[in-house]
Amino acid sequence: GAGVSQTPSNKVTEKGKYVELRCDPISGHTALYWYRQSLGQGPEFLIYFQGTGAADDSGLPNDRFFAVRPEGSVSTLKIQRTERGDSAVYLCASSQNRAFGELFFGEGSRLTVL
Amino acid sequence: GIQVEQSPPDLILQEGANSTLRCNFSDSVNNLQWFHQNPWGQLINLFYIPSGTKQNGRLSATTVATERYSLLYISSSQTTDSGVYFCAVEPRDTDKLIFGTGTRLQVFP
Repeated sequence: GAGVSQTPSNKVTEKGKYVELRCDPISGHTALYWYRQSLGQGPEFLIYFQGTGAADDSGLPNDRFFAVRPEGSVSTLKIQRTERGDSAVYLCASSQNRAFGELFFGEGSRLTVL
Repeated sequence: GIQVEQSPPDLILQEGANSTLRCNFSDSVNNLQWFHQNPWGQLINLFYIPSGTKQNGRLSATTVATERYSLLYISSSQTTDSGVYFCAVEPRDTDKLIFGTGTRLQVFP
């Protein structure tokens, strides 16, 4: 596609529920990143994929968070047993070929946990 | 870990004014990028600039890697320049892009 696409744009859920957030990167971009941004803060790194594999998942806050990219294109960020503190905007970005080349961000998925 | 600090934290300008935003980082980096986050939350890549100087229209950026800082210049500011400007660095010993604290810019007509 023309840009990085994220769905849903907004998600409201109840504490304890399971959530999936989807990212469709720019066509041909092999590197994909997930970030989380809380109000008034800069984006915080979560995980980086090169192709199908997670090259660095050290930013995932705990084992409730998991991300996959089975075919090296679309990625899904999965959050189990959501907590109110998970509320944030989840941003996806992609870049061509190399790690942390020029990044292109999607518009984000705003998650609200009630 | 690396510290990335931006100044000023907030900046208010009248349309047409020039400004300089600064990014200081505490350790050597492989990569530095400047982003603009518009009021709707969209992050736009402005410059990929690990060193040297680049210009794009009214914007230019300079990174002095040896002195661990980067500057973003905005000339003849417009209301559409409003938003938050972030610098982000890739430390030499990691594969993460670490974002700075941001500068919130408001440009009034």
